Amino acid sequence: EAGVAQSPRYKIIEKRQSVAFWCNPISGHATLYWYQQILGQGPKLLIQFQNNGVVDDSQLPKDRFSAERLKGVDSTLKIQPAKLEDSAVYLCASRSLQGRVAWNEQFFGPGTRLTVL
Amino acid sequence: DAKTTQPTSMDCAEGRAANLPCNHSTISGNEYVYWYRQIHSQGPQYIIHGLKNNETNEMASLIITEDRKSSTLILPHATLRDTAVYYCIVRVAYQGAQKLVFGQGTRLTINP
Repeated sequence: EAGVAQSPRYKIIEKRQSVAFWCNPISGHATLYWYQQILGQGPKLLIQFQNNGVVDDSQLPKDRFSAERLKGVDSTLKIQPAKLEDSAVYLCASRSLQGRVAWNEQFFGPGTRLTVL
Repeated sequence: DAKTTQPTSMDCAEGRAANLPCNHSTISGNEYVYWYRQIHSQGPQYIIHGLKNNETNEMASLIITEDRKSSTLILPHATLRDTAVYYCIVRVAYQGAQKLVFGQGTRLTINP
């Protein structure tokens, strides 16, 4: 099966500019996650969707970050305006709610590497 | 949420077994231990998980101590492609959905 797709793979912007990332999860996966991974650290969950509803956005900096998942499939994550400390890899993951749900793993995409100058 | 403690880095010779330890002394009875790994420039990849019994799949074995306060991930015959950061995660349940909290992991280097 096709994996989680993300684009772009790399993005360089100047501070105070805006940027958007796109994620296409594995077909049929109801749950979608966005993580931020700063260099040298483990991924940190920003937001979690189940279908097109938000389950957890407690760590999303809502003054500058926003995310949506229209129609419960693709998702976009936006940063406006960007700060230097937003430089990181943004990872998207998806998870099925079929079968033995408690055991289902998260599948990650390759990530988008953002550099803010 | 139960926290995990892992060594920052480890080395292992190619072809030997790589044993990666993880401490999770505050784990509660219904929390699982998950292992993911992240190869350079890729997203994390699921390896294995367990509750209290030892588990084995095509990638690795997971040994959990009887008191569940620690576990060991075993890669039986490590190859150069196993060089990665390995994350031990105790799964938390939040609003009925599954949330993974990643630490800094162990950077495993397989040497030829």
